[in-house]
Amino acid sequence: DSGVTQTPKHLITATGQRVTLRCSPRSGDLSVYWYQQSLDQGLQFLIQYYNGEERAKGNILERFSAQQFPDLHSELNLSSLELGDSALYFCASSVDGTLYNEQFFGPGTRLTVL
Amino acid sequence: KNEVEQSPQNLTAQEGEFITINCSYSVGISALHWLQQHPGGGIVSLFMLSSGKKKHGRLIATINIQEKHSSLHITASHPRDSAVYICAVWDRGSNYKLTFGKGTLLTVNP
Repeated sequence: DSGVTQTPKHLITATGQRVTLRCSPRSGDLSVYWYQQSLDQGLQFLIQYYNGEERAKGNILERFSAQQFPDLHSELNLSSLELGDSALYFCASSVDGTLYNEQFFGPGTRLTVL
Repeated sequence: KNEVEQSPQNLTAQEGEFITINCSYSVGISALHWLQQHPGGGIVSLFMLSSGKKKHGRLIATINIQEKHSSLHITASHPRDSAVYICAVWDRGSNYKLTFGKGTLLTVNP
């Protein structure tokens, strides 16, 4: 158990809908990362937050947004969902936002868009 | 061409064999991660390297920054090592961008 929690574990929804994925980092970790893993693209970095502020952006679509709250939990919002958004979404946390910190991954949320 | 290439894509070994998985990258990097993903989907960070060599139990990771190459070795492999092993690099040019290889599926038979 990494200490990172993600909810829900599974999510099934329809095209055009909006969903929110939630992540709680390990106690004491200030940085949260979001990743998408699909069968054709593999793992892709979406976005990083550090202590409430956006730190880095990867291949995140404009339909997706994220935030980190004062209690350091983070939410990833996916809107106008398409079939291609079906994937595993992982959250990871690290002590701070520097490059050389180990990341601890949550169990993932499996999103299925029908 | 992917910025991070792993080889082999698939690897089948017998229990006890010495395993090597390779990772080559084309960009200047700040650090490299080796990750393990089990069939259930969970991801575990195995190593983070910016130079040299690290060892943890039966796992050894090495990196050659000049040659832009890293290897992950597993000594005395065991069926519980069966997983996907993923290499990821921090691109020095775009600082916090983490780019992943497509992974190596390792199956260790008893």
